[in-house]
Amino acid sequence: NAGVMQNPRHLVRRRGQEARLRCSPMKGHSHVYWYRQLPEEGLKFMVYLQKENIIDESGMPKERFSAEFPKEGPSILRIQQVVRGDSAAYFCASSPPMDKPYEQYFGPGTRLTVT
Amino acid sequence: DQQVKQNSPSLSVQEGRISILNCDYTNSMFDYFLWYKKYPAEGPTFLISISSIKDKNEDGRFTVFLNKSAKHLSLHIVPSQPGDSAVYFCAAGNAGNNRKLIWGLGTSLAVNP
Repeated sequence: NAGVMQNPRHLVRRRGQEARLRCSPMKGHSHVYWYRQLPEEGLKFMVYLQKENIIDESGMPKERFSAEFPKEGPSILRIQQVVRGDSAAYFCASSPPMDKPYEQYFGPGTRLTVT
Repeated sequence: DQQVKQNSPSLSVQEGRISILNCDYTNSMFDYFLWYKKYPAEGPTFLISISSIKDKNEDGRFTVFLNKSAKHLSLHIVPSQPGDSAVYFCAAGNAGNNRKLIWGLGTSLAVNP
């Protein structure tokens, strides 16, 4: 039973470029969460999605950031026109629909570096 | 506004002894709490959770205690092993709040052989 998959593991972008981060949840999990961890800080919630629906995006910056979880395929976190302050580790987590919904299982993260 | 606080950035313990990691919270609406362990360059790994209707939950060497009146929880690891060396995060959520977890800044535990 594969865990949460994230790719790429490392991503380098120049200022102004776009970054696309992908997340495949665990099999049977229909809920996906994205978190960001800045250096020396804890994880900050960004967005919670179910298939084809954004449930809570209260942690997402209002501009340049978007997320989707289509009916088919992985969840995508998209950052347009990246700036140096976007450099961070981005973690995706998934949870099952009913049983123990509060337990979130994390992927290995994508480390984004903006040069 | 740090709703979940882990006031000790680091802790060092001898192998075989007890490790106690502490976490305080300010939001009385939180009704479930989780502990995660994180190694460098990896995602957090779920360890143990507790609902606000309980005051203790035990799983092998790991026990979590919840004191609602003090808004305080702790994770006990007994006996501590060198493989337990990692950063431990406390997280809290509210069932009616879309499962969003609020995280502490973590405590780095070093278990010395």
